[in-house]
Amino acid sequence: AQKITQTQPGMFVQEKEAVTLDCTYDTSDPSYGLFWYKQPSSGEMIFLIYQGSYDQQNATEGRYSLNFQKARKSANLVISASQLGDSAMYFCAIRGTGNQFYFGTGTSLTVIP
Amino acid sequence: ETGVTQSPTHLIKTRGQQVTLRCSSQSGHNTVSWYQQALGQGPQFIFQYYREEENGRGNFPPRFSGLQFPNYSSELNVNALELDDSALYLCASSLATGYTDTQYFGPGTRLTVL
Repeated sequence: AQKITQTQPGMFVQEKEAVTLDCTYDTSDPSYGLFWYKQPSSGEMIFLIYQGSYDQQNATEGRYSLNFQKARKSANLVISASQLGDSAMYFCAIRGTGNQFYFGTGTSLTVIP
Repeated sequence: ETGVTQSPTHLIKTRGQQVTLRCSSQSGHNTVSWYQQALGQGPQFIFQYYREEENGRGNFPPRFSGLQFPNYSSELNVNALELDDSALYLCASSLATGYTDTQYFGPGTRLTVL
């Protein structure tokens, strides 16, 4: 089985600053993928970034980067140059050799003007 | 937008009734997964359909059932509704079922059970 832990229920960041959202995971699968999603108040889950367990380099997608530390089982999301539109819930998820995604409980990010 | 659509957007039912939620997957995607997201929680996996067959199920009772059609659209049926079934129901589609396959979510259906 897989498990995701997000220990920050809420985070605040000043506009244009960078912020790191923490995610640790537990899995017995040798191969797995780690995903981050953004969920605005409208409810739709928006895919942000993916990291494979065998990827040597940290994933980046525009202002999003994933700080992957395999030995520590962590996959933190870094958002650079925060914007007001980044205010939302952020979910970390893992998918192993099974068919389902396991999600954490999420972090609520508020960007302050 | 992902191209995944869900209907209806909102639904109100009473306890004991039955409900059907619908999902159209993104073009080219043959895999659909359904999730239940209670208020303040992360999504919980209900089941997945791959090429019209159930391909994995989470810890949900049999009154949660589903279908996938030849065009890869899907339905989630819930019988004998309970108050705790009130949640956001999310559908996600992906190209295939591997661990590298990203799931793309629809906007969700908010179900309220009174």
